[in-house]
Amino acid sequence: DGGITQSPKYLFRKEGQNVTLSCEQNLNHDAMYWYRQDPGQGLRLIYYSQIVNDFQKGDIAEGYSVSREKKESFPLTVTSAQKNPTAFYLCASSIQGSTDTQYFGPGTRLTVL
Amino acid sequence: GQQVMQIPQYQHVQEGEDFTTYCNSSTTLSNIQWYKQRPGGHPVFLIQLVKSGEVKKQKRLTFQFGEAKKNSSLHITATQTTDVGTYFCATRTGTASKLTFGTGTRLQVTL
Repeated sequence: DGGITQSPKYLFRKEGQNVTLSCEQNLNHDAMYWYRQDPGQGLRLIYYSQIVNDFQKGDIAEGYSVSREKKESFPLTVTSAQKNPTAFYLCASSIQGSTDTQYFGPGTRLTVL
Repeated sequence: GQQVMQIPQYQHVQEGEDFTTYCNSSTTLSNIQWYKQRPGGHPVFLIQLVKSGEVKKQKRLTFQFGEAKKNSSLHITATQTTDVGTYFCATRTGTASKLTFGTGTRLQVTL
């Protein structure tokens, strides 16, 4: 079954703790992305990666970090430096190209207490 | 960076009524993609428009790309409760394969 998986669906953490969100895809896509969505808001790009071992900051990268050691995986770490981490986090992937469709995972809802 | 504005932010219609959402930019867009996100779900790709003045249809949905490639619209004819969700437009930004998403239009349909 091809697609993008994100785990867990819901995540609770205490303030001051780092937390890593998982994103895996078996679509053989080169490009992967992380977005943040707040209630009633659009999607804001955190980080993206066009190829293994390379990634770029998006519009709101502060307080986040990523790695892309494997083509299939693009984990996102929400660090304690992120001031308002509670949000819905969406991972997406696409075939490398300028106008390619993005396929989204089911998302992880992170709540920091 | 490039910005795309969507209007309205929210629309509530009765089942059977039509619905339109608009996506506007101050700069020329290379392409427009439309996505639908059901409540509690994730965005799902609907369609991509590339050519000036392009019109595409998917059953009750009609997508248009403006002649100047600065705006786009999504029109739903005779809405159904299954149309409920938030509709986003998105456009490619710069040379990288990343998208800038509009703010979205949330559609509520009641019987």
